[in-house]
Amino acid sequence: QVQLKESGPGLVQPSETLSLTCTVSGFSLTSYSVSWVRQPSGKGPEWMGRMWYDGDTAYNSALKSRLSISRDTSKNQVFLKMNSLQTDDTGTYYCTRDHYSSLDYWGQGVMVTVSS
Amino acid sequence: DIQMTQSPSVLSASVGDRVTLNCKASQNINKYLNWYQQKLGEAPKLLIYNTNNLQTGIPSRFSGSGSGTDYTLTISSLQPEDVATYFCFQHNSWPTFGSGTKLEIK
Repeated sequence: QVQLKESGPGLVQPSETLSLTCTVSGFSLTSYSVSWVRQPSGKGPEWMGRMWYDGDTAYNSALKSRLSISRDTSKNQVFLKMNSLQTDDTGTYYCTRDHYSSLDYWGQGVMVTVSS
Repeated sequence: DIQMTQSPSVLSASVGDRVTLNCKASQNINKYLNWYQQKLGEAPKLLIYNTNNLQTGIPSRFSGSGSGTDYTLTISSLQPEDVATYFCFQHNSWPTFGSGTKLEIK
């Protein structure tokens, strides 16, 4: 069955870089795209960016200068890196399967706190 | 960016009630509108895609409608397990979510 799982540090220092990994199973990264979505506590989700099935990327314009998404198809993994983190980057980060831009399966999410 | 406005922000209804949640886009999104259900402490779950298509495994009491800028999620008979926050999501252009409707049981 389709599964996605996020992993990464729960605590990041202000101004540092966040690195997250999404490990997928049950589908191929060369057939489906993967998006990253984040959600501050008690607020609506925000789409961050996408790794297309063909290896291309797309980013939320508000985050584009700080965000990078890459992948390793041999390991079924998609990576997120975002630099210059601030306290308002605190929240839960999800990776999702992106089927024709419709986010149909989600990982359980990883909580990231930006604090010194 | 397309802004998505959901109303009401909180809805309280009784078990068995017919419930309607609304989502309005700041411009035409050509029916590229999904609905997600998020229970406390869980990831969002896809209920409806492209306005009116029920995702596999979702109960038939959930339905969606709309066009242009105005969309609706309807629960035909509210059940206790439907307590959650519901988000709309447009993917006509750069994807954006609404801020959610919190559904409670009276």
